[in-house]
Amino acid sequence: QLQLQESGRGLVKPSETLSLTCSVSGGSISNRTDYWGWIRQPPGKGLEWVGTIYYSGSTYYNPSLKSRVTILLDMSKNQFSLRLTSVTAADTAVYYCARLTSGWRSRQFDYWGQGTLVTVSS
Amino acid sequence: DIQLTQSPSFLSASVGDRVTITCRASQDITSYLAWYQQKPGKAPKLLIYSASTLQSGVPSRFSGSGSGTEFTLTINSLQPEDFATYYCQQLNSFPYTFGQGTKLEIK
Repeated sequence: QLQLQESGRGLVKPSETLSLTCSVSGGSISNRTDYWGWIRQPPGKGLEWVGTIYYSGSTYYNPSLKSRVTILLDMSKNQFSLRLTSVTAADTAVYYCARLTSGWRSRQFDYWGQGTLVTVSS
Repeated sequence: DIQLTQSPSFLSASVGDRVTITCRASQDITSYLAWYQQKPGKAPKLLIYSASTLQSGVPSRFSGSGSGTEFTLTINSLQPEDFATYYCQQLNSFPYTFGQGTKLEIK
């Protein structure tokens, strides 16, 4: 059974960098049918796709986050990470990591981590 | 960006009822649409993908239909555990986007 677990600092100061790691167990992040992504949810609000990375290292980011976001893979640790620079209060959210499975005429986020709340505050 | 509009945003129903939630896309997304269920304090759970394929382990009272720009999620014979918030998501093109959510409450 695939499992994903987010970790990282829960409190970040404005203008600093948010850094989170997603540890994957029960499967390999180098699987060619899978992508890995981050989705966030501000308190009391809806879901927002942050970005996705493929095993090859190709990345796709939400343009709303402009050049502030970076997603990386660490094959040796079976982990992937999120880095969001110059954060503001608007980046306060629960951050989820998830697996995106891609098949014939199908794409879906089928496994999710439990989520981690990151608060941006001085 | 492709906009997804869910209706209704709030829905009140009773155990045993049949409910339908609609998701409309601002442009053609073929069948790259997924439905998720989210309960308070929990991660979203995949229910339906490719517009109409039931995820493994999801009860058969959940069903999805549609293609192009209009999609529906139907729940037959509502159970107490079905009261939650439901989101649609398009995965046809980047940036992937979600609907605003439909909160299903007990009448």
